[in-house]
Amino acid sequence: NAGVTQTPKFQVLKTGQSMTLQCAQDMNHEYMSWYRQDPGMGLRLIHYSVGAGITDQGEVPNGYNVSRSTTEDFPLRLLSAAPSQTSVYFCASSYRGPNYGYTFGSGTRLTVV
Amino acid sequence: GESVGLHLPTLSVQEGDNSIINCAYSNSASDYFIWYKQESGKGPQFIIDIRSNMDKRQGQRVTVLLNKTVKHLSLQIAATQPGDSAVYFCAVSWQGAQKLVFGQGTRLTINP
Repeated sequence: NAGVTQTPKFQVLKTGQSMTLQCAQDMNHEYMSWYRQDPGMGLRLIHYSVGAGITDQGEVPNGYNVSRSTTEDFPLRLLSAAPSQTSVYFCASSYRGPNYGYTFGSGTRLTVV
Repeated sequence: GESVGLHLPTLSVQEGDNSIINCAYSNSASDYFIWYKQESGKGPQFIIDIRSNMDKRQGQRVTVLLNKTVKHLSLQIAATQPGDSAVYFCAVSWQGAQKLVFGQGTRLTINP
């Protein structure tokens, strides 16, 4: 039982490049979300999904895109990377929603130069 | 919107002592509260949670206390060990919120 798997663990991008951060869970969780973590700012919600085919914006969605074609996968796309997107990104999932806690992945550390 | 704050960004305690980490929230509709532990280079790990119909909940060496009157949450760790060194986050949610709102974290350091 792998839980929540994020790839890659580390990535360096040049400004303007695009990339996709992968997230997969094998717990049959309906609810999935993406957070970014910056020093002194805690974790901030980027996008979330309450089930396959359904996504919505969080607090800081600009510059990011998501889709949820299957229950297992919830990729996060950076359309045109900017230095302000340098951060650690966490994917999290929950069986019934945030009121039942999340299981987090181990994170992707992204640097945009 | 909801805001969640921690009283101290850092806390240093002696090994074997008890630790108390505090958290304040603003939304009186918040009804779910959770503590996470994050070790360096890892994702947050669930420690303990509590709902608004309770004031106290205990786990293994950890206790969460909830004071809804003053919108305050605390995590108590008994007999701290070196492995307890980490950043601790509180987070809150409420019915229909579709998200957890996190505090900024307290870094707990255990001195030998």
